[in-house]
Amino acid sequence: SQKIEQNSEALNIQEGKTATLTCNYTNYSPAYLQWYRQDPGRGPVFLLLIRENEKEKRKERLKVTFDTTLKQSLFHITASQPADSATYLCAHISDSNYQLIWGAGTKLIIKP
Amino acid sequence: NAGVTQTPKFQVLKTGQSMTLQCAQDMNHNSMYWYRQDPGMGLRLIYYSASEGTTDKGEVPNGYNVSRLNKREFSLRLESAAPSQTSVYFCASENRGREKLFFGSGTQLSVL
Repeated sequence: SQKIEQNSEALNIQEGKTATLTCNYTNYSPAYLQWYRQDPGRGPVFLLLIRENEKEKRKERLKVTFDTTLKQSLFHITASQPADSATYLCAHISDSNYQLIWGAGTKLIIKP
Repeated sequence: NAGVTQTPKFQVLKTGQSMTLQCAQDMNHNSMYWYRQDPGMGLRLIYYSASEGTTDKGEVPNGYNVSRLNKREFSLRLESAAPSQTSVYFCASENRGREKLFFGSGTQLSVL
């Protein structure tokens, strides 16, 4: 079955450094991956989508890469700020019912 | 911009009670979704509706029913609540290009 794995341990990063989060997927090569941010008590908010033919996508301080050989997407936040602290989720389309499959998310903590 | 509106925000039920979670979107989206989110797990799809008048089961539909009342509204009903249905429930709608989901703020449901 298709599965998405994200590091379940919280990631602690010093303010100003680059935070890198990992999303690994198995058994399937999705056409695209999505990344979302979720704050406590709120619904996820869409950040970026990267397609299989795109190696890298950027939006302001955010950068996402997609390595179909490693079956992995990396999510980078440069010049991190305490306001970037949140849980970050990745998702991709299932090839069985064309609905999104979600990782459990990685909690990012940016320390001042 | 209201986006996706979900009610109620919190609910406590006794085992066997019923309730309906309401969801409405004002973005003229065709597709709408109901997810549940449990600690340590990714979002799991309960039901979805690709368009007004159609609904389909997701990964975890047992114990739930849905109604796509019109293009704006998609409700989730628990006919006889069980403790296993204690969770946070999110409604979402999807843009036409299937590139991103827009989520409501969630319903925290406890079944005692």
